Amino acid sequence: EAAVTQSPRNKVAVTGGKVTLSCNQTNNHNNMYWYRQDTGHGLRLIHYSYGAGSTEKGDIPDGYKASRPSQENFSLILELATPSQTSVYFCASGDAGDEQYFGPGTRLTVL
Amino acid sequence: AQKVTQTQTSISVMEKTTVTMDCVYETQDSSYFLFWYKQTASGEIVFLIRQDSYKKENATVGHYSLNFQKPKSSIGLIITATQIEDSAVYFCAMRDHNNNAPRFGAGTKLTVKP
Repeated sequence: EAAVTQSPRNKVAVTGGKVTLSCNQTNNHNNMYWYRQDTGHGLRLIHYSYGAGSTEKGDIPDGYKASRPSQENFSLILELATPSQTSVYFCASGDAGDEQYFGPGTRLTVL
Repeated sequence: AQKVTQTQTSISVMEKTTVTMDCVYETQDSSYFLFWYKQTASGEIVFLIRQDSYKKENATVGHYSLNFQKPKSSIGLIITATQIEDSAVYFCAMRDHNNNAPRFGAGTKLTVKP
């Protein structure tokens, strides 16, 4: 069965600190995605990747970087975290044209 | 640019009835893919059903079906014989043929009452 895991599941960070959210998938999917979920906004696309070494900007990339070192792993990096980045972050994987498989989410609080 | 709009913030229905959730989308592509997902109270997001734009027949999976109206850029989700466990947030998503990154609507919260 398809599996996407995220770590950490919960994170409290300080303003100005660096935060790395990690995602691992065992589906052997080429495409991976990072979304954030806020009340009233649904899932908004931050970054995505077509495969190892590739990263693309989504609709709200400002303040975020992404890294795809391998087929299985896709990280979201907040170099200088701000309170506005407090949110729930979801990673997903899925091949072109197919449905996505989502991780359990990471709840990030920036104080 | 792709855009997905769900105008119904929340819906409440009685158990065993039928509910329809609306979704409209915008795309420049003539070929695209439409999806519905369910987010449970635990936060888990799971895929429910899809419709490919070139298919005229509405998709059906279990007690979920779609009302695809291409001229209106509309893809409604219909749940028949609703159950308490259908209570969740439902998201509509679209991916066009040239872009591998699906975009989502804001979601509709469904409450099914006994």
